[in-house]
Amino acid sequence: GENVEQHPSTLSVQEGDSAVIKCTYSDSASNYFPWYKQELGKRPQLIIDIRSNVGEKKDQRIAVTLNKTAKHFSLHITETQPEDSAVYFCAASRDSGYALNFGKGTSLLVTP
Amino acid sequence: NAGVMQNPRHLVRRRGQEARLRCSPMKGHSHVYWYRQLPEEGLKFMVYLQKENIIDESGMPKERFSAEFPKEGPSILRIQQVVRGDSAAYFCASSPVRAFSGANVLTFGAGSRLTVL
Repeated sequence: GENVEQHPSTLSVQEGDSAVIKCTYSDSASNYFPWYKQELGKRPQLIIDIRSNVGEKKDQRIAVTLNKTAKHFSLHITETQPEDSAVYFCAASRDSGYALNFGKGTSLLVTP
Repeated sequence: NAGVMQNPRHLVRRRGQEARLRCSPMKGHSHVYWYRQLPEEGLKFMVYLQKENIIDESGMPKERFSAEFPKEGPSILRIQQVVRGDSAAYFCASSPVRAFSGANVLTFGAGSRLTVL
């Protein structure tokens, strides 16, 4: 099955700096790569996703890049704010009929 | 749209008892997924169901755990003879029929936190 590795497990940045979280996956047939944000005690929420026919996608301060050859994808958050502090999970899956497999998460702390 | 509804939000059981967790998917969603989250750990896939059908249960322990998604009513994750190691947050997620989108965008419920004494 799919195996998703995520690094780093914890990340501390100062407000205004950028944060980068990286993930690798094992199943070359995977073609959907979402990122979820989970605040303490809350549910995971989708923040951005990318499909295998796209190399990069951006939504305001958040961007995701995908390298299918190397089987890795990354989340980039620019101009970080304290409210960005949360646990971020990457995930990967094939198309219809397969469940999402998640990385172990990155705990991001943005200090003022 | 009420979103994905899970209940109970908190459940306390003694060792050996049974735990039943319920999940009602978002309106229009016909796929349900259960994930387990242990403290300081990620979301571990357990089971993926459609109405009256288990699609993938590769992440679910073979013993004591079962899941169903009947034609009528919510999906239920059942844990028999609970042990302390079952203490975790159990999240349900749902997605729509992916006839055209080609991707399983999951919407999560608020989770059910099981504590086994």
